[in-house]
Amino acid sequence: DTEVTQTPKHLVMGMTNKKSLKCEQHMGHRAMYWYKQKAKKPPELMFVYSYEKLSINESVPSRFSPECPNSSLLNLHLHALQPEDSALYLCASSQYTGGTYEQYFGPGTRLTVT
Amino acid sequence: DAKTTQPNSMESNEEEPVHLPCNHSTISGTDYIHWYRQLPSQGPEYVIHGLTSNVNNRMASLAIAEDRKSSTLILHRATLRDAAVYYCILKTPMRGSGDKLTFGTGTRLAVRP
Repeated sequence: DTEVTQTPKHLVMGMTNKKSLKCEQHMGHRAMYWYKQKAKKPPELMFVYSYEKLSINESVPSRFSPECPNSSLLNLHLHALQPEDSALYLCASSQYTGGTYEQYFGPGTRLTVT
Repeated sequence: DAKTTQPNSMESNEEEPVHLPCNHSTISGTDYIHWYRQLPSQGPEYVIHGLTSNVNNRMASLAIAEDRKSSTLILHRATLRDAAVYYCILKTPMRGSGDKLTFGTGTRLAVRP
């Protein structure tokens, strides 16, 4: 099983709502990632978790709050978002392979903030 | 992370080979060269990676220049399914803390039937 799943596929939320994005993998990977991708732009790294600990935060605003409850699950809690946060949110996972890591990406959650 | 330069777009005919170039003149000795592609409405997909020697896998081949300042991704017989944005990325191994992929703008490949 080389699949990373993400739920929901689509999410529309108001600026005062609280919602969460979920990511799951069962490949035994110990590193998990959140990326943000705006339309027609490349993905941009937001957070990296390694062995369930946050190891990289790319200066992401606090209205995005990641959580890694166990080695298979990664959540992204959203609160008080702005319309400019509308984007495709991608989750990925990786494990050491051949001297570096190859990342497996999920299909993404398309978020619209109204 | 070191920077990569790729053409914005390329076109190919179906069933013909495609050579996608990437320049990375500031590559360091420990940087791996990774290629990912992103099909429409999907997440990125790993294609291939290498360090110094040319690499082959079931999807593609990676040809790395002797000075490592450039590389070429080779799709041996393009299919319509290969139409995607191809990203060339330099990656410094970070054992224990996870990898950081910094995507450039990539090359949008169109495949003509």
